[in-house]
Amino acid sequence: GQQVMQIPQYQHVQEGEDFTTYCNSSTTLSNIQWYKQRPGGHPVFLIQLVKSGEVKKQKRLTFQFGEAKKNSSLHITATQTTDVGTYFCAGQGFNTDKLIFGTGTRLQVFP
Amino acid sequence: EAEVAQSPRYKITEKSQAVAFWCDPISGHATLYWYRQILGQGPELLVQFQDESVVDDSQLPKDRFSAERLKGVDSTLKIQPAELGDSAMYLCASSLHHNEQFFGPGTRLTVL
Repeated sequence: GQQVMQIPQYQHVQEGEDFTTYCNSSTTLSNIQWYKQRPGGHPVFLIQLVKSGEVKKQKRLTFQFGEAKKNSSLHITATQTTDVGTYFCAGQGFNTDKLIFGTGTRLQVFP
Repeated sequence: EAEVAQSPRYKITEKSQAVAFWCDPISGHATLYWYRQILGQGPELLVQFQDESVVDDSQLPKDRFSAERLKGVDSTLKIQPAELGDSAMYLCASSLHHNEQFFGPGTRLTVL
């Protein structure tokens, strides 16, 4: 079945450093979504990417969807302590509403 | 701002007992999802409803789990009997157009 993997599993950074998490799907995706889950919280939607090669920005966050629509990345510039949490990508295949969540990248930011 | 409601927030039970979780999605959201999230992992879809109909329950352990959404609004997920391996966070989510999913706070289940 479809699998979605993320690397790294954990990332510890100093406040102000950049951070990137990478997401890879075993199959071509219709679209990919990104969610953030704070410690003890629930996943919160960040963004959806649909087009091949699409790049979207939200303030310090940059999201990219690969040309083959099988991979994606999230880059945070100049991390802040409020960025702490686990970032999940979630892929949606064709002819299905089902989201397959990735394994997640847990980000810790030290002040 | 509208939110997905879930109860209870925490549940401790002994193995072989029955447990039930309730979810009230955002008003107007036709699609409702139940996920299970094991600590340190991503959410795994258990069942998806479109209105009152099940559209995907391929990952639902049907020998012990059941889910219903009788009037196409709120939903109940039941486990009977609970096993030690069922300890996890059970998340409910809803969506309007199969895109952005809105998650509730979850029910953390501990089976002793």
